[in-house]
Amino acid sequence: QVQLQESGPGLVKPSETLSLTCTVSGYSISSGYYWGWIRQPPGKGLEWIGSIYHSGSTYYNPSLKSRVTISVDTSKNQFSLKLSSVTAADTAVYYCARHWRPAYYMDVWGKGTTVTVSS
Amino acid sequence: EIVMTQSPATLSVSPGERATLSCRASQSVSSNLAWYQQKPGQAPRLLIYGASTRATGIPARFSGSGSGTEFTLTISSLQSEDFAVYYCQQYNNWWTFGQGTKVEIK
Repeated sequence: QVQLQESGPGLVKPSETLSLTCTVSGYSISSGYYWGWIRQPPGKGLEWIGSIYHSGSTYYNPSLKSRVTISVDTSKNQFSLKLSSVTAADTAVYYCARHWRPAYYMDVWGKGTTVTVSS
Repeated sequence: EIVMTQSPATLSVSPGERATLSCRASQSVSSNLAWYQQKPGQAPRLLIYGASTRATGIPARFSGSGSGTEFTLTISSLQSEDFAVYYCQQYNNWWTFGQGTKVEIK
């Protein structure tokens, strides 16, 4: 059974960089699939942030592209998100998820982690 | 960016009744449309993909239809565990989600 688990600081100061990691169990990232990040601000809908393939190919939401970096560590079976220059608008629950190919539905999601941007 | 619009925002339904949720795309997404269910404090759960194919383990009371720009999710007989927020998602051109429809107990 494939499971995804997000981890990282729950509180980030404005202008700093948000860093999260998604650990995958029950499936080797190197075997395939794409791995993505999605967020949900309090009381709002879902927003795709970006995705990565095990080879390192990345796809970012154009609205966030200038601040986002997603990387993969196949040796640890993890992928990570960095979002720079955060503001209160970046406060959200951050989810990781997998999808079979670019622009495909997401079939397995992590439980999510709450990140608050505040001084 | 393809904008997804869901209606209604809230749907009040009695247990055992049928619920019909709508999702409209600002441009054609073919059949590249998924539906997710989200309960408070939980991650979204994939219900439907390809506009009408149920994901593994999803009960037959959930059905999806539509193509192009107009889509519908129908829950034939609402069970207590079905009261949740439902999101549509297009994956024809990257991903965008609708704002959600909350299905609440009438």
